[in-house]
Amino acid sequence: AQTVTQSQPEMSVQEAETVTLSCTYDTSENNYYLFWYKQPPSRQMILVIRQEAYKQQNATENRFSVNFQKAAKSFSLKISDSQLGDTAMYFCAFMSLTGANSKLTFGKGITLSVRP
Amino acid sequence: NAGVTQTPKFRVLKTGQSMTLLCAQDMNHEYMYWYRQDPGMGLRLIHYSVGEGTTAKGEVPDGYNVSRLKKQNFLLGLESAAPSQTSVYFCASRPGGRTEAFFGQGTRLTVV
Repeated sequence: AQTVTQSQPEMSVQEAETVTLSCTYDTSENNYYLFWYKQPPSRQMILVIRQEAYKQQNATENRFSVNFQKAAKSFSLKISDSQLGDTAMYFCAFMSLTGANSKLTFGKGITLSVRP
Repeated sequence: NAGVTQTPKFRVLKTGQSMTLLCAQDMNHEYMYWYRQDPGMGLRLIHYSVGEGTTAKGEVPDGYNVSRLKKQNFLLGLESAAPSQTSVYFCASRPGGRTEAFFGQGTRLTVV
């Protein structure tokens, strides 16, 4: 079974600065996807970025980028030029593509506060 | 296109009462999931379904039952609610062969 670990419960960053959120995972699979989801106070779950394990190139979406280290099973999210609207809970998630019953497994999340 | 809709959005139950949460999706997705979200615990999978008429247990299935009689609907039942089931419940769906999951807006359930 796969596990996702987010060891930092909270982080804070000054507006316009850069912050990195950490995530590690454990799996015996070789073919999988990793995700970062954002949950603002509205409770809506928003997909921020997705990484395919077989791709060596790190995914990027505007101000959001990841540092994917497959051998170390590490998947961190970097937010550049932080904005007040980035204040939210962020979840790291894992999905195996093996078999028909692929499930989305989440970490415990990290609360990010962006200070004005 | 409504996406994933959860009914109700809020509910207060007394211990021992029963209720059913409805998740409806209009995207013809094969996979559907029920999660619960508790402070400091992230989202934990309760039950899931890989297609109409099929269900399977997730990480925390005790005290819950599910049914998927129609492809578009996934029902989560609490037969005898307990205070430990106070939580925010999320439904999600995704199409077969794709990885992006679509989430409902959540249901806040309080059991007193």
